[in-house]
Amino acid sequence: DIQMTQSPSTLSASVGDRVTITCRASQSISIWLAWYQQKPGKAPKLLIYKASSLESGVPSRFSGSGSGTEFTLTISSLQPDDFATYYCQQYNSYPWTFGQGTKVEIK
Amino acid sequence: QVQLVQSGAEVKKPGASVKVSCKASGYTFTSYYMHWVRQAPGQGLEWMGIINPSGGSTNYAQKFQGRVTMTRDTSASTVYMELSSLRSEDTAMYYCARYTAARGYDYWGQGTLVTVSS
Repeated sequence: DIQMTQSPSTLSASVGDRVTITCRASQSISIWLAWYQQKPGKAPKLLIYKASSLESGVPSRFSGSGSGTEFTLTISSLQPDDFATYYCQQYNSYPWTFGQGTKVEIK
Repeated sequence: QVQLVQSGAEVKKPGASVKVSCKASGYTFTSYYMHWVRQAPGQGLEWMGIINPSGGSTNYAQKFQGRVTMTRDTSASTVYMELSSLRSEDTAMYYCARYTAARGYDYWGQGTLVTVSS
């Protein structure tokens, strides 16, 4: 199975900060990586697919980059609505696997 | 509009089985694969498996092989996930999620809480 490792596990930031979350795959997954945002009590929401493609309706302050084994999710200017937990997921090969999550907290 | 509506919360005893449904609407049911993902309380997301609503083929995570069965009823636009031999560690929120080719899960059900307790 492909292991997905996110860092950091928790991130404290202020409104307006630039935030970067890293996701590493245990083997190459090309560009088959998605990022999801999850708020308490809600289903996850797709933000980024194919490593860098922005899902329709998602604010442009979210961006993704990377290929192979190293990926990043960047929020260019953190907004109050962005405090949530973020997950990466590889969909290169079964079983599809998620990172352990990164919780973005208010500093 | 696309909607995935799941069945209600369940409480089961250890050793029992649970069957969760996910009714799709607003799109052609047989055109999109459906996945099941679970999340234990306070924990991360865990992929369980996939079903092709068109032909019914499935692919399960090794962890659940032998305990999980995913089926579909095309006349009702509904997929089902049945998990047997339940144990306390199966207590979780179970989600169905529609997969759109190359994009990931663009629509999710609201989740079904399954509690396993004696």
